[in-house]
Amino acid sequence: ETGVTQSPTHLIKTRGQQVTLRCSSQSGHNTVSWYQQALGQGPQFIFQYYREEENGRGNFPPRFSGLQFPNYSSELNVNALELDDSALYLCASSFNRGINEKLFFGSGTQLSVL
Amino acid sequence: EDQVTQSPEALRLQEGESSSLNCSYTVSGLRGLFWYRQDPGKGPEFLFTLYSAGEEKEKERLKATLTKKESFLHITAPKPEDSATYLCAVQASGGGADGLTFGKGTHLIIQP
Repeated sequence: ETGVTQSPTHLIKTRGQQVTLRCSSQSGHNTVSWYQQALGQGPQFIFQYYREEENGRGNFPPRFSGLQFPNYSSELNVNALELDDSALYLCASSFNRGINEKLFFGSGTQLSVL
Repeated sequence: EDQVTQSPEALRLQEGESSSLNCSYTVSGLRGLFWYRQDPGKGPEFLFTLYSAGEEKEKERLKATLTKKESFLHITAPKPEDSATYLCAVQASGGGADGLTFGKGTHLIIQP
């Protein structure tokens, strides 16, 4: 059973650029969620995808968008990067949507915006 | 708006010295309260889910309890490998996103 994998592990971008982060879900999981974790803070919910459709969204602007593919892997896209977007981006998969028992997190992508 | 407040922010204990971490929450309707452990450079790792007041769950040296306003994570005779940041999160009922609302965490250090 493979775990949740994210790529790249680290990324440096310039303000105004666009970035794509990738996530492979744990085998058998059809739901993926993305979280942003700023330094010293808890993770903040960005959105969730279930069977290739957005299933819910937190308080993030539309320049944060995502995709889920038929194999349940996922992408997080961020346009017009701002300095405050610097954070650890976590992907988590689960067996199903709804009550998120046992979210399985990847190790994250550390994004630095200069 | 759902809110989760964890205290203390940081806690340093000697090996074997038992203590408790607190998680206070306000939520429109609680579907579940979750405890996760996060090691440096890694994503959170699931520990427990609690659903209703009075519920308790245990795993090795950890025991989680839940009331209508707060949850406690009791750690008994901790070892250095228990050092980590412990995160509390809630999931609200009634429509909207299924995302979790996390607290800032308690950074726990166990000294040998």
